[in-house]
Amino acid sequence: EPEVTQTPSHQVTQMGQEVILRCVPISNHLYFYWYRQILGQKVEFLVSFYNNEISEKSEIFDDQFSVERPDGSNFTLKIRSTKLEDSAMYFCASSVSYEQYFGPGTRLTVT
Amino acid sequence: AQTVTQSQPEMSVQEAETVTLSCTYDTSENNYYLFWYKQPPSRQMILVIRQEAYKQQNATENRFSVNFQKAAKSFSLKISDSQLGDTAMYFCAFMKHNAGNNRKLIWGLGTSLAVNP
Repeated sequence: EPEVTQTPSHQVTQMGQEVILRCVPISNHLYFYWYRQILGQKVEFLVSFYNNEISEKSEIFDDQFSVERPDGSNFTLKIRSTKLEDSAMYFCASSVSYEQYFGPGTRLTVT
Repeated sequence: AQTVTQSQPEMSVQEAETVTLSCTYDTSENNYYLFWYKQPPSRQMILVIRQEAYKQQNATENRFSVNFQKAAKSFSLKISDSQLGDTAMYFCAFMKHNAGNNRKLIWGLGTSLAVNP
């Protein structure tokens, strides 16, 4: 069964450093998403992406964040200058219609 | 703005018994989707069941079923014959139907379910 994959599973970085989180969505899916989950808190929407452009972003998704689909398979989230409060689990999801399928997540730890 | 509320932070159930998790939501939309996702200790987010608001029939998936009460804006999940593998965090989520390309999920805080042997 096709699945969404994410790498790395765990990323540790120092405050101020840039990180790139990678996702490979399910191959025939058209819609892509990033969510994050700070430990013990609710899952938060970051951004949705369709037809090679951002279709919606939340207030969390400020100028420090960017997304890219550099080729036909990868979907990346870049954080330019990480802050301590960016420490969270980051989930990528993809969908054909309205059912979103999630990857296993990347745990980002900013020290 | 839409909100999703899960009023039970933690629940427990004995193996083989039935448990119901509550979810209420607030929206002015008439058409929307509702979902239950399961997050086991591995942290993977797994889709359990979905409900389209325009369908009156409650969705079922094997041991999982929902009680969808549109007027009350309630969407509870019933797990029958609970198994140890059902131990997980369960999230209720909402999506607008006519969202165009903006199909974000709005999430509740989750209910931690422990299935005891």
